Amino acid sequence: TQLLEQSPQFLSIQEGENLTVYCNSSSVFSSLQWYRQEPGEGPVLLVTVVTGGEVKKLKRLTFQFGDARKDSSLHITAAQPGDTGLYLCAGSSNSGYALNFGKGTSLLVTP
Amino acid sequence: DTEVTQTPKHLVMGMTNKKSLKCEQHMGHRAMYWYKQKAKKPPELMFVYSYEKLSINESVPSRFSPECPNSSLLNLHLHALQPEDSALYLCASSRGLAGGRAKNIQYFGAGTRLSVL
Repeated sequence: TQLLEQSPQFLSIQEGENLTVYCNSSSVFSSLQWYRQEPGEGPVLLVTVVTGGEVKKLKRLTFQFGDARKDSSLHITAAQPGDTGLYLCAGSSNSGYALNFGKGTSLLVTP
Repeated sequence: DTEVTQTPKHLVMGMTNKKSLKCEQHMGHRAMYWYKQKAKKPPELMFVYSYEKLSINESVPSRFSPECPNSSLLNLHLHALQPEDSALYLCASSRGLAGGRAKNIQYFGAGTRLSVL
């Protein structure tokens, strides 16, 4: 199993603040997915990164994949209450069947 | 369309009941998955089907029995569950399994919230 260390585990911030979530591993991944999950719902795919050094933007969210494809980050600019949820990173390898999930970051954005 | 549909959304059952969870996708995906998720934890893989054949069983107790009637459908049959089996059960699908960078990007359903009394 390829472990993904995700940090921070919990984050409570006020509307308008910026934040970064990190996902690190000692293993190389062929791709890495970021999901957001709201209570009682399934994870919703936000982005997939596949190329080392890749940067993708989704409105106020910026995703980076490390050059060595071992780590990734999610940066949210000017967070809003609607960003509240559980953020999960998940890595795929060329040889493994399953996604390797990080433990998740529970984000609360208060007005 | 990246929709995976799960029914029912909520299920309450006693420890002697038999019930089934259903999952459906029409994206032409050939891999389907069952996960179990406890509150504020990541999903835990239970079963993987590839081309309607069971590929992985992650040492799941026999009171959980998966079935893949065709490439679009995945069922999870439940029998004699325990209260600790209460959780959100998630179904996911992907184009295939490993072997390509985008091949096993997984799309999740909304889940079934199961309570065992």
